[in-house]
Amino acid sequence: AQSVTQLGSHVSVSEGALVLLRCNYSSSVPPYLFWYVQYPNQGLQLLLKYTTGATLVKGINGFEAEFKKSETSFHLTKPSAHMSDAAEYFCAVSGGTGRRALTFGSGTRLQVQP
Amino acid sequence: DSGVTQTPKHLITATGQRVTLRCSPRSGDLSVYWYQQSLDQGLQFLIQYYNGEERAKGNILERFSAQQFPDLHSELNLSSLELGDSALYFCASSGGVAGNTEAFFGQGTRLTVV
Repeated sequence: AQSVTQLGSHVSVSEGALVLLRCNYSSSVPPYLFWYVQYPNQGLQLLLKYTTGATLVKGINGFEAEFKKSETSFHLTKPSAHMSDAAEYFCAVSGGTGRRALTFGSGTRLQVQP
Repeated sequence: DSGVTQTPKHLITATGQRVTLRCSPRSGDLSVYWYQQSLDQGLQFLIQYYNGEERAKGNILERFSAQQFPDLHSELNLSSLELGDSALYFCASSGGVAGNTEAFFGQGTRLTVV
């Protein structure tokens, strides 16, 4: 069984400030972890993924995330927020050979203030 | 553009009716996943098909069914519709059942049941 918890349904930051979106997961097998972004009236776009290997993964648009097994976390960060980063962000987990459906967190809406 | 095409983009129908949502996966992708996104349930996995066969089931109601055709496109059939079925339905595709390729999402079909 897998689950994802995203702390904070809404996060507001100033333009240029650090973005930190929190994600904790539970998985009975080694997890594959993902962050997706959803802009209004659009589908989900992959930001980055962790499968195996290096625990710090870099994605598109300057985002990165670090897999911490001991903390069962996969927090998403960006050093400097841009107005265009305003969107909803979803953390997701999949795992286990033969089943790669995603279990999503409840999402975090990021607001960027000018 | 993710390469996953969903039609129609919007659908309005009455309670008790039946609708069919269509998904064309990215070229070469064998797996198709269906997800439902609603305000109260969030993003939920419904069902996965791989190369024409059902591979995994999630929280799919008995009133809902899906299939994947030889050309790999997929259809999600929703019947005896209820007001609570109003949601955004996403299709995603990926390269295979196992492995570490990510899922690419379509733009979704917004279903409104009145």
